[in-house]
Amino acid sequence: GEDVEQSLFLSVREGDSSVINCTYTDSSSTYLYWYKQEPGAGLQLLTYIFSNMDMKQDQRLTVLLNKKDKHLSLRIADTQTGDSAIYFCAENPGNTGKLIFGQGTTLQVKP
Amino acid sequence: GAVVSQHPSWVICKSGTSVKIECRSLDFQATTMFWYRQFPKQSLMLMATSNEGSKATYEQGVEKDKFLINHASLTLSTLTVTSAHPEDSSFYICSARDLGYLPGLETHEQYFGPGTRLTVT
Repeated sequence: GEDVEQSLFLSVREGDSSVINCTYTDSSSTYLYWYKQEPGAGLQLLTYIFSNMDMKQDQRLTVLLNKKDKHLSLRIADTQTGDSAIYFCAENPGNTGKLIFGQGTTLQVKP
Repeated sequence: GAVVSQHPSWVICKSGTSVKIECRSLDFQATTMFWYRQFPKQSLMLMATSNEGSKATYEQGVEKDKFLINHASLTLSTLTVTSAHPEDSSFYICSARDLGYLPGLETHEQYFGPGTRLTVT
C-alpha cells in the first residue's frame, strides 16, 4: 500500500540544525518531495530528490535518501525563526502526479 | 514561476447550501489538476484528479455526487461542495500540473494554490 509517516513535532533553537524524518512504502516513486506549509497557506515545494540519489544539497537544505530502508530526511542548517512551519514529505507512486503526503512535522524554532 | 490561484480564499455558508471553489493556473496551461482536503493539524488527502475535457477521477471514499468537479478549460477547474454540512468544513487545496509535463520527465512541475477555508454553519 501507499503510506508515508513522519514524526509530528520538532522543536529546535535558532541557529541549530533541524532534522525531519520520513518513511514511505512505495518504491515506484521516481521522485520524493519535501513541502513547506506556513499557517493558513498552501504548500511550497522546498526540494525534491531523484530516487537514484542518496543525497541532495540545496543551500541550507540537505536531503538524505536511504532507498533500502525507504527512509527520507530533511536537514535544515542554521535554522531560523522563519523556518517555523509544517513540513510534509510526499511520494508519487507510479509517477502519476497523485502525491501521497505524510502527516506533516510541525517545526518550532525558539529564539 | 508558475502561479495557481484559488477563489475564494475563505467562505462561510449555511448547512444545506452549495459552495463553488475555483482553481486557476495563471500563467500556464494545466491538463491535470488535483483537489486535496486538509483537516486541522492533519495531512492533505487527495480527493480527486481533474482532467480537462473529461470526467474527474475520485479517490476511494470520496462521494462524486457531493463533490462535483468541472475542468472546463486548460486553466480552470472548479470544485462544488453540494448540500454542505458542518463535517465538510475543511481547507481545500488544489494543485495544477504544467501542460509541458511529459511522462518520464521531472514530476515536480506541480504547483499548489493557496487553499480555500470552508466553514459550514
